[in-house]
Amino acid sequence: DTEVTQTPKHLVMGMTNKKSLKCEQHMGHRAMYWYKQKAKKPPELMFVYSYEKLSINESVPSRFSPECPNSSLLNLHLHALQPEDSALYLCASSQLQGAGGTGELFFGEGSRLTVL
Amino acid sequence: KNQVEQSPQSLIILEGKNCTLQCNYTVSPFSNLRWYKQDTGRGPVSLTIMTFSENTKSNGRYTATLDADTKQSSLHITASQLSDSASYICVVRGGSARQLTFGSGTQLTVLP
Repeated sequence: DTEVTQTPKHLVMGMTNKKSLKCEQHMGHRAMYWYKQKAKKPPELMFVYSYEKLSINESVPSRFSPECPNSSLLNLHLHALQPEDSALYLCASSQLQGAGGTGELFFGEGSRLTVL
Repeated sequence: KNQVEQSPQSLIILEGKNCTLQCNYTVSPFSNLRWYKQDTGRGPVSLTIMTFSENTKSNGRYTATLDADTKQSSLHITASQLSDSASYICVVRGGSARQLTFGSGTQLTVLP
């Protein structure tokens, strides 16, 4: 069983809706990530948080708004999405570089998003 | 440019057979290489992680090899099972910012 928990597993929303994806980990990791994955493609990095601070934003449109309320939680707020944003959204966590770990990513099960 | 290339793109084998997946990378400097298994619609799960000094590492029926000189890795699956049907993704950490570079994956289908 994964130690990174994502909710909801499935989400269907209209282009005018506001929704949020949630991610939680209790492994003490201080880096958390959001990835977007389209069918038959590898995950694409969206955001990285280090010590609850946004450290990487891969030029993601502002209709995606990440939030890291504390070291265990990571949210992705969604607003005015487009149908092409439909994808599997993966949350991951890792130890930070230099913290004695390999930086290995632990992924959640993902949230399947469909935008109508 | 850091790149990770996997081959083949897709592979179909019969249950009980062995197979080998390939991963070539140009990431430099190299930190480590991981193989992930991803079932359709699920998150990737780590199979093994290889560091510079490791040549071979096994995890049950999965055996990964690493040749840091030629920048190649392979994942060998022994006595395949139907549950091995999945996408296998090679991910290399390295580069100036020690970032992660993902391969496009190999889609393995095991038929009965």
